[in-house]
Amino acid sequence: DAGVIQSPRHEVTEMGQEVTLRCKPISGHNSLFWYRQTMMRGLELLIYFNNNVPIDDSGMPEDRFSAKMPNASFSTLKIQPSEPRDSAVYFCASRTTGSETQYFGPGTRLLVL
Amino acid sequence: KQEVTQIPAALSVPEGENLVLNCSFTDSAIYNLQWFRQDPGKGLTSLLLIQSSQREQTSGRLNASLDKSSGRSTLYIAASQPGDSATYLCAVISSNTGKLIFGQGTTLQVKP
Repeated sequence: DAGVIQSPRHEVTEMGQEVTLRCKPISGHNSLFWYRQTMMRGLELLIYFNNNVPIDDSGMPEDRFSAKMPNASFSTLKIQPSEPRDSAVYFCASRTTGSETQYFGPGTRLLVL
Repeated sequence: KQEVTQIPAALSVPEGENLVLNCSFTDSAIYNLQWFRQDPGKGLTSLLLIQSSQREQTSGRLNASLDKSSGRSTLYIAASQPGDSATYLCAVISSNTGKLIFGQGTTLQVKP
């Protein structure tokens, strides 16, 4: 299995631009998580889906952030408009029912200038 | 609100040394505790998972303990190797929220 796949791996954009991060979970996994990692705040859960349905989005920082999971094999995290303080590494993770182990993707390193 | 703290923030040891990484959490109402490893520029890899009813878990040279009542966990690494150099993150799943709450991590360097 290829593991959790994230794209792009690196993104540099200018303030005000729309940013879309993509994630493909491990096949057969039915829970998907989006995390953000910064030096100041560490690793924080933004939102998670179970069977493609958003369960808890209380970690989403503000309305500029949105996430979708149109099917079991694809999810997006969108930031519109982006701001310099959104610069961070964004991780996607997935998990299967009955397991408590989350498998993390390699992350997308976002820099907003 | 659950808070997870890891001490020390950074550690440098010579190869072959046994070492202990510490993790503490403020709310003992946890479902389980997990230790992860993160290599520079990469994602997290799960190392050990301890259920709230368990006291320890072992995998190879790694041993993790859990004392839920005191809000503490330790990760013991025996006979450290340069390949163990990475950041080690402790995380708890809160019984109340079901969310994984991470500590800030301990960055370990094992010198040859």
